[in-house]
Amino acid sequence: AQKITQTQPGMFVQEKEAVTLDCTYDTSDQSYGLFWYKQPSSGEMIFLIYQGSYDEQNATEGRYSLNFQKARKSANLVISASQLGDSAMYFCAMRPRGSTLGRLYFGRGTQLTVWP
Amino acid sequence: GAVVSQHPSRVICKSGTSVKIECRSLDFQATTMFWYRQFPKQSLMLMATSNEGSKATYEQGVEKDKFLINHASLTLSTLTVTSAHPEDSSFYICSARDLLTEENYGYTFGSGTRLTVV
Repeated sequence: AQKITQTQPGMFVQEKEAVTLDCTYDTSDQSYGLFWYKQPSSGEMIFLIYQGSYDEQNATEGRYSLNFQKARKSANLVISASQLGDSAMYFCAMRPRGSTLGRLYFGRGTQLTVWP
Repeated sequence: GAVVSQHPSRVICKSGTSVKIECRSLDFQATTMFWYRQFPKQSLMLMATSNEGSKATYEQGVEKDKFLINHASLTLSTLTVTSAHPEDSSFYICSARDLLTEENYGYTFGSGTRLTVV
């Protein structure tokens, strides 16, 4: 069974500080992809970052980086220099190689609030 | 870049009526379309998956006669909520998969539809 766990329902961070959003996953597939999405209150899903299971380096995209620890099956999102506009819901998702038609499995999300 | 246009963004309908939600891929072919439902402060729940020209595959517990999905072309998929009731009120969002693009690593989401049934 495929499972994504986000244990932090809510996180608070002060503007300009860094924050880490946790994500652990469970899959029997050796090949898989890990995604992070941001969902502001408007509802759209914004793709942030991707990590392939065979990628040796942690993915980075601007202020976003993914702390990928394969042995621990964790894929934490690190947001550096938080901005007020980062306040949103954040979802971790996984696509196992054996996923039917490329289905994504989502975690329950973490609500991030950035305060001034 | 890859864009999925989802309409309407908001709709209010009377109980017992049907509502159609459209997702149209712009400038790319949506090989597969995923339809999700999301309750406030919760995760995305996959309702069904459709391939162009094929019948949709519904997740367990999703009524296929109530949530009709049509994926007649590579650029258009529709979700029709038939005989809507207040408990169908939710946020519905589609996600198109394009096997030929690496943009967003192949997944492009619509902007979502907030359905309210009164």
